[in-house]
Amino acid sequence: LAKTTQPISMDSYEGQEVNITCSHNNIATNDYITWYQQFPSQGPRFIIQGYKTKVTNEVASLFIPADRKSSTLSLPRVSLSDTAVYYCLPLPGGYNKLIFGAGTRLAVHP
Amino acid sequence: DTGVSQNPRHKITKRGQNVTFRCDPISEHNRLYWYRQTLGQGPEFLTYFQNEAQLEKSRLLSDRFSAERPKGSFSTLEIQRTEQGDSAMYLCASSLGGGVGNEQFFGPGTRLTVL
Repeated sequence: LAKTTQPISMDSYEGQEVNITCSHNNIATNDYITWYQQFPSQGPRFIIQGYKTKVTNEVASLFIPADRKSSTLSLPRVSLSDTAVYYCLPLPGGYNKLIFGAGTRLAVHP
Repeated sequence: DTGVSQNPRHKITKRGQNVTFRCDPISEHNRLYWYRQTLGQGPEFLTYFQNEAQLEKSRLLSDRFSAERPKGSFSTLEIQRTEQGDSAMYLCASSLGGGVGNEQFFGPGTRLTVL
């Protein structure tokens, strides 16, 4: 399984764009990059998943360079409710279990 | 609400007692997963079921832990002879299947405190 490195914490202000980068140097050819979000006292929630280039949904964008050794989760115009822990998970295509690291604790300030 | 539900939400017990948690998955989901999360860490996988069959168990799941999903619907996780190190949030998740395109939906968790 690919080892990941993410910032332990980040701070931002309402209305700013936040980019969280995850390093996964030994990602496997069939790994997909998946991001989960976890609010305090709740279970994690799937945000976005991609294999290469760019994926966008109503919540976030995911940028994956050609070498796939890193990925960047982009949250546009964050609000206080985006305060959460964000996890980057490289997962093989036929995965069963999720393997979480420590994640990035994002704090959004007024 | 048709999400994953877990009961109880909180459980306080004394060391040595047995506890049982229940998880009700999203109704059409075949897969059910249990994870454990301690403060400041990401969730750790414990076990998962495909319908009523338990297909994988983590080494974290010691002999004191047992999980069942008897009819392929709800699941229970029992911890016997609890220890203080068992204090954690126990999370349940469900999905339609495995792999890409079958995201796991998590419940709110059961927070266990062992005194």
